[in-house]
Amino acid sequence: AQSVTQLGSHVSVSEGALVLLRCNYSSSVPPYLFWYVQYPNQGLQLLLKYTSAATLVKGINGFEAEFKKSETSFHLTKPSAHMSDAAEYFCAVSGASNNDMRFGAGTRLTVKP
Amino acid sequence: DSGVTQTPKHLITATGQRVTLRCSPRSGDLSVYWYQQSLDQGLQFLIQYYNGEERAKGNILERFSAQQFPDLHSELNLSSLELGDSALYFCASSVMGQGSEAFFGQGTRLTVV
Repeated sequence: AQSVTQLGSHVSVSEGALVLLRCNYSSSVPPYLFWYVQYPNQGLQLLLKYTSAATLVKGINGFEAEFKKSETSFHLTKPSAHMSDAAEYFCAVSGASNNDMRFGAGTRLTVKP
Repeated sequence: DSGVTQTPKHLITATGQRVTLRCSPRSGDLSVYWYQQSLDQGLQFLIQYYNGEERAKGNILERFSAQQFPDLHSELNLSSLELGDSALYFCASSVMGQGSEAFFGQGTRLTVV
């Protein structure tokens, strides 16, 4: 079965600083990996996804993530944080059957002025 | 707008009662997922249906049940409600296929008093 672990339940950065949210996955088959964002009182929306086409995946709002098989990681980055990036971020993994998308516990990002 | 519609948005009910949450998936999506999000448990996968059939079961209590109807909408039934069932309940839908992302509704906030 697939699973993901998000390191750090809370991350705080200053506006304009680098954002780095960590995600490590466990999967017995080649995984599909996703990052979702949840703004207050809203549902989750897809930021980006990895489906083996390219290891560096670009998403919406300037976010990107790099798949590193050797490190079983799929960390999310953004070069310069904006106040509007404050939200909760979830990493997710699914296997070949797509029956089993599993989410991490989430990381709450705070952006300080 | 993700295209996934959940009703009602808010629900307040007493312990011991039964409620039904409704989800209409995106047009064309055959797969429906239900998730529970609470402060202490995070985002928990409950159950998945595909074209009317149960596909996968997660941490769903026996007091909870779900179904997907021929028109593909889904209902989550919660019975003998307890205070601890208070949470946000999300429905998500996807096409069935490798690497397909899930699209989330806005959620139903259930408060049990």
